[in-house]
Amino acid sequence: DAGVIQSPRHEVTEMGQEVTLRCKPISGHNSLFWYRQTMMRGLELLIYFNNNVPIDDSGMPEDRFSAKMPNASFSTLKIQPSEPRDSAVYFCASTRGQSYNEQFFGPGTRLTVL
Amino acid sequence: QQQVKQSPQSLIVQKGGISIINCAYENTAFDYFPWYQQFPGKGPALLIAIRPDVSEKKEGRFTISFNKSAKQFSLHIMDSQPGDSATYFCAASNAGNNRKLIWGLGTSLAVNP
Repeated sequence: DAGVIQSPRHEVTEMGQEVTLRCKPISGHNSLFWYRQTMMRGLELLIYFNNNVPIDDSGMPEDRFSAKMPNASFSTLKIQPSEPRDSAVYFCASTRGQSYNEQFFGPGTRLTVL
Repeated sequence: QQQVKQSPQSLIVQKGGISIINCAYENTAFDYFPWYQQFPGKGPALLIAIRPDVSEKKEGRFTISFNKSAKQFSLHIMDSQPGDSATYFCAASNAGNNRKLIWGLGTSLAVNP
């Protein structure tokens, strides 16, 4: 069974451009998380979906960030407009049930905003 | 505000030695404490987890020690191997915040051969 799939693996863009990161959770998992990882701030939870509904988006840094989960097998994280301080590795993770259970992480998307 | 404080930031251990990573928390409502392991270029993966009803949990060479009164928990890696070189994250959660994991900042472990 495939793990969490993220695309692209690497993204280099210029400041002001729109960036869309994609995630396919593990089949059968109904909770999905978007994280941002930086050296300074570690792993930060951006948003958490349960059954495709956003449950907690308190970690979304500002209105430039938005996330959607149109169905159980796909989610996007969009940054518009992007800024150099958004440069980080973005992870998607999924789990079955509530977030109490083991979270399975994807390989991440390394985003560089010039 | 960092609710889970992890130390040290980095650690170098000789092969065969014991690696010890510590975490401290403040929220007494936390009731689930996992440790995740992350290799370069990969996402974190669950290594071992503990609930506060036990003081220790062991899985192979990895042991979590939990001190509820001190609000501390630690990861011990016995007989450390070069393949254990990775970044380790502690975390904590409770039912009151949708079971959101609160993460430590990570410890970079290097095991020298």
